[in-house]
Amino acid sequence: EVQLLESGGGLVQPGGSLRLSCAASGFTFSSYAMSWVRQAPGKGLEWVSAISGSGGSTYYADSVKGRFTISRDNSKNTLYLQMNSLRAEDTAVYYCAKYGTTVTGDAFDIWGQGTMVTVSS
Amino acid sequence: SYELTQPPSVSVSPGQTARITCSGDALPKQYAYWYQQKPGQAPVLVIYKDSERPSGIPERFSGSSSGTTVTLTISGVQAEDEADYYCQSADSSGTYTVFGGGTKLTVL
Repeated sequence: EVQLLESGGGLVQPGGSLRLSCAASGFTFSSYAMSWVRQAPGKGLEWVSAISGSGGSTYYADSVKGRFTISRDNSKNTLYLQMNSLRAEDTAVYYCAKYGTTVTGDAFDIWGQGTMVTVSS
Repeated sequence: SYELTQPPSVSVSPGQTARITCSGDALPKQYAYWYQQKPGQAPVLVIYKDSERPSGIPERFSGSSSGTTVTLTISGVQAEDEADYYCQSADSSGTYTVFGGGTKLTVL
């Protein structure tokens, strides 16, 4: 079964750091680009960051550029998001998502269940 | 920064047809994707590459594209279709992913 399982969320103070992980199973992890998407409470989806299958290319939304770092360990089938200098507006459910195949293009065809990050003093 | 515009809400009665639009300047160049999200759940892909339906998605879900607007159509709406719907695409360079603001579909 194709599955993504996020972990690492929690409560952190403003200015603090947190690292999210996403464990993948059921597919050839290194063959697919991956992404983080977040959703603030009661709000819409916001794309955060993406990384190529090899890890050689990374992309960030302007709202997190310079503060967040996406990475992956293909030997462990795991995606990461290092979040530094956290702000209240970073409070959200963070989803790990898999980009699609050549057939489905840039669709996110698999999503994790999400992990909650709360930035508050 | 690039934006996709969706109506905040759409309401229809059971059995009717719901149409949800998404507008963006780069849509003539970039594919659009649609997701359904129910409360407390992760989004689910319902349309890819403007008009293709993934396996397991009911035939009543369809997508179309015309110029700078893409449309998700749900024919014969059922109560279970009540959810938030989001479009997704990319900026004109194809580098950055963007989501629309979401549309809440209410089944009256």
